[in-house]
Amino acid sequence: NAGVTQTPKFRVLKTGQSMTLLCAQDMNHEYMYWYRQDPGMGLRLIHYSVGEGTTAKGEVPDGYNVSRLKKQNFLLGLESAAPSQTSVYFCASRLAGPTYEQYFGPGTRLTVT
Amino acid sequence: SQQGEEDPQALSIQEGENATMNCSYKTSINNLQWYRQNSGRGLVHLILIRSNEREKHSGRLRVTLDTSKKSSSLLITASRAADTASYFCATDDGGSNYKLTFGKGTLLTVNP
Repeated sequence: NAGVTQTPKFRVLKTGQSMTLLCAQDMNHEYMYWYRQDPGMGLRLIHYSVGEGTTAKGEVPDGYNVSRLKKQNFLLGLESAAPSQTSVYFCASRLAGPTYEQYFGPGTRLTVT
Repeated sequence: SQQGEEDPQALSIQEGENATMNCSYKTSINNLQWYRQNSGRGLVHLILIRSNEREKHSGRLRVTLDTSKKSSSLLITASRAADTASYFCATDDGGSNYKLTFGKGTLLTVNP
């Protein structure tokens, strides 16, 4: 049981380049989330999904797109990276229901130069 | 916008001492959760307390919740060097999307 995995672990992009971050979970969780973590800011929700084929905006969605074509995978895309998107990105998943915790991946450290 | 605000921002104690971290939030909640993050790692869930609960224990962890004051505290007893980490509170407002809103965290350093 791998839990939540994220690919890649590190990435350096130049301004304007694009990339996709992959999140995969093997726990059959319905809900999946993408967060970014910046120094002194805690975690902020970018986008989330309540099931296969669904996505919704979180607190800071601008500059990002997501897709959930398969239940176990949640992709986060940056179409045209900007230095402001330098951050650590975390994916999380959970079961449906009111009192379950979120399970987090190990994170992807992205630097945009 | 941050819902929870932890206090203090940083805490340094000796091994064996107790560590107390506080969290305040702004709106009504369904439950409040505490997470730990070791340096360079993902968050790990520690404990969840429902809005109708006042206190909960898990091993060396004790969490209290005061919904009238919109605040929670996390107590770690007999701390160990391995407890060194950042601790975050997160609130679930009970919406159907089960989104969590995280605070900025408390950095706990336990000195051996």
